Amino acid sequence: DSGVTQTPKHLITATGQRVTLRCSPRSGDLSVYWYQQSLDQGLQFLIQYYNGEERAKGNILERFSAQQFPDLHSELNLSSLELGDSALYFCASSAPGLAGGDTQYFGPGTRLTVL
Amino acid sequence: SQKIEQNSEALNIQEGKTATLTCNYTNYSPAYLQWYRQDPGRGPVFLLLIRENEKEKRKERLKVTFDTTLKQSLFHITASQPADSATYLCARGGSYIPTFGRGTSLIVHP
Repeated sequence: DSGVTQTPKHLITATGQRVTLRCSPRSGDLSVYWYQQSLDQGLQFLIQYYNGEERAKGNILERFSAQQFPDLHSELNLSSLELGDSALYFCASSAPGLAGGDTQYFGPGTRLTVL
Repeated sequence: SQKIEQNSEALNIQEGKTATLTCNYTNYSPAYLQWYRQDPGRGPVFLLLIRENEKEKRKERLKVTFDTTLKQSLFHITASQPADSATYLCARGGSYIPTFGRGTSLIVHP
């Protein structure tokens, strides 16, 4: 158990809908990362927050947004969903100190299925 | 852009043998490289980190090397076991954009 929690575990929804994925980092970790993993794309970095502020942005679509709250939990919002958004979404957290890329602890993921 | 390349073909080996996985990076050397293990449908799990100025790092049956001349890291599992079967991801660190390779699947046959 990494100490990172993600909810829900599974999500099935229809095209055009909007969903929110939630992540709670390990106790004491200030950084939260979001990734998308699909079979043909590998682990794709979406966005990173550090202590409530956006730190880095990767290949995140405009339809997707995220935030990190004062209690350090984070939410990833996916809107106008398309079939291609079906994937595993992982959240990871890391300890304060090094710049982005330091050791990350991953949650169990949310499997999103868009029908 | 910085890329991490791993062999996409699965590596099949017999139990007891040493598995060697390769990670190549492009452009400048990262401050460090990390190796993660991922089982199907689960989140990656951190295994080892090796810094640019370190040649080799060991942890139990695992060994990682970092060759800045070849722009390559090798990941070794000695005395491999069927339980080592998983996908192994290489990631570059030291920049604000985490970059993971697509991973190499290791299958250890009993």
